[in-house]
Amino acid sequence: KQEVTQIPAALSVPEGENLVLNCSFTDSAIYNLQWFRQDPGKGLTSLLLIQSSQREQTSGRLNASLDKSSGRSTLYIAASQPGDSATYLCAVRNDSWGKLQFGAGTQVVVTP
Amino acid sequence: DVKVTQSSRYLVKRTGEKVFLECVQDMDHENMFWYRQDPGLGLRLIYFSYDVKMKEKGDIPEGYSVSREKKERFSLILESASTNQTSMYLCACRDPNSPLHFGNGTRLTVT
Repeated sequence: KQEVTQIPAALSVPEGENLVLNCSFTDSAIYNLQWFRQDPGKGLTSLLLIQSSQREQTSGRLNASLDKSSGRSTLYIAASQPGDSATYLCAVRNDSWGKLQFGAGTQVVVTP
Repeated sequence: DVKVTQSSRYLVKRTGEKVFLECVQDMDHENMFWYRQDPGLGLRLIYFSYDVKMKEKGDIPEGYSVSREKKERFSLILESASTNQTSMYLCACRDPNSPLHFGNGTRLTVT
């Protein structure tokens, strides 16, 4: 069964510093991997989707990489801002039904 | 942008009540999902539907049922609410190979 791990569980950085968030998975036979952001008490907002054939995806200050062979994905957020404070989750899709396996998330605090 | 609307943000129900959670999407997406999210347990899949009138059990379907009579609407039903069903419920939708989009969630409290 696929297991998805996100370490660390929490992270605090000063404004302006680059953020590096890690996601690891045990089964490399994935369809795709998706990164989400969740604000307290809200639903999840999709940030980036990386297909299994891709190595990275970029959107603005966000860049996500995927290394299937090592079972890892990294989300980079450049020049962090207090508005980036949230919980970031990664999710891996393994099967044809499209069910996702979620990590527990990394809670990020960006201090002014 | 995909819009996924959950009918209630907060809901308080009594033990034994039948509870309906409604979810509507505006993008004609085929697949719809119901998750619950609990501290320490993360997101867990309850049910999903890959097309109208089709449904599949997820990881924790016990105590729940679903209905999808129209493509845009996916309802989660708690047949007889219990206190261990107090949780945040999240609906999501997508087309195959496209990103998953979530609604804002319904915080259900069962007393």
